[in-house]
Amino acid sequence: SQTIHQWPATLVQPVGSPLSLECTVEGTSNPNLYWYRQAAGRGLQLLFYSVGIGQISSEVPQNLSASRPQDRQFILSSKKLLLSDSGFYLCAWSVGGSVTEAFFGQGTRLTVV
Amino acid sequence: GQQVMQIPQYQHVQEGEDFTTYCNSSTTLSNIQWYKQRPGGHPVFLIQLVKSGEVKKQKRLTFQFGEAKKNSSLHITATQTTDVGTYFCAGGGGSNYKLTFGKGTLLTVNP
Repeated sequence: SQTIHQWPATLVQPVGSPLSLECTVEGTSNPNLYWYRQAAGRGLQLLFYSVGIGQISSEVPQNLSASRPQDRQFILSSKKLLLSDSGFYLCAWSVGGSVTEAFFGQGTRLTVV
Repeated sequence: GQQVMQIPQYQHVQEGEDFTTYCNSSTTLSNIQWYKQRPGGHPVFLIQLVKSGEVKKQKRLTFQFGEAKKNSSLHITATQTTDVGTYFCAGGGGSNYKLTFGKGTLLTVNP
């Protein structure tokens, strides 16, 4: 069966510090991978999605970046965090080659102080 | 770009009342998906609609996809306290595999 791992669950970082959130998927190959941010417990904002290794589509210009160094690994990064980067970050995957149901990780609650 | 709008943002009902949330897209969708997020949790997939005019039911939940494949609705009959959470629609736009979510409807149920 397929599983998705996202860590850490919570993170408190000072303004200006770097960020690295990692997401890995097991039990499937060539998945579509997504990073979403949820502010104030509400809407899901699509940040990045990827349909293959090294292929990243960015939806919102910001100081965040994403990388997919391996087929089932998706990383969200920042060189310098801003206060406005605080939020709930969710990684998700879906079956490659289609737009089917997305499976979400447990999420990372990031607080920038 | 593709935008998915969802209304209402909030809905408070008495237990036993019905509830409906609506989703509208600025573009034609290849499919529409619905998710539920419990407080403090992550979104969990409920259902996917693909065909124009499609209607699907899951116990007390009824999902509809519009004829033009631009709108959808989720209706819950006789709400229960276990229905509390945020309901999201998500639109699939086609070959780019992008999945765009609406802002969600937060449902609270008064027992």
